[in-house]
Amino acid sequence: GAGVSQSPRYKVAKRGQDVALRCDPISGHVSLFWYQQALGQGPEFLTYFQNEAQLDKSGLPSDRFFAERPEGSVSTLKIQRTQQEDSAVYLCATLRDQTDYEQYFGPGTRLTVT
Amino acid sequence: AQSVTQLDSHVSVSEGTPVLLRCNYSSSYSPSLFWYVQHPNKGLQLLLKYTSAATLVKGINGFEAEFKKSETSFHLTKPSAHMSDAAEYFCVVSQNSGNTPLVFGKGTRLSVIA
Repeated sequence: GAGVSQSPRYKVAKRGQDVALRCDPISGHVSLFWYQQALGQGPEFLTYFQNEAQLDKSGLPSDRFFAERPEGSVSTLKIQRTQQEDSAVYLCATLRDQTDYEQYFGPGTRLTVT
Repeated sequence: AQSVTQLDSHVSVSEGTPVLLRCNYSSSYSPSLFWYVQHPNKGLQLLLKYTSAATLVKGINGFEAEFKKSETSFHLTKPSAHMSDAAEYFCVVSQNSGNTPLVFGKGTRLSVIA
């Protein structure tokens, strides 16, 4: 596709359930970032991949959050035992390569934990 | 460490009048600075970027911003607001290289009154 796509667009989970959020990057983009955007706030960095290597996961809020990009393309952000404070929009962004500056964002997945 | 302060959470202007959205940054490194716009239910879109070239940066849709190192500011302006400019605007800082996480401000909601 022409842009970054994310699925599902909306997810409602009961507290304690596990969820998996998918990001399909722009074809050929080397770097992939995940951000979390709470209501009324700016996005905050979670983790970053270069190809299949996870180079920075300093923003993951707890060990319930896990991300992978096994073949250097599609990425999945998994949240185990969801809590109400996990409710947010999860954004994926990709970057062509290290010389580029513009991160291209997907539309996000809105997660609501009830 | 890097941070961004957007000085106004909400700005309201009349259609056809100038727009000014204020942003101050803090960075230990020579920064790259960006403005992103977020329309409801749409992904973040890059308006413009500063990456240590010309200090006056022109972006899409008639927006521009000026990097002022002495004031640590990167304010966004537009001479004449359109109704379609109503959206959330984020000032963003990163290290002056690609492949680094973006640090977002809390956002400024721009309303345009007919």
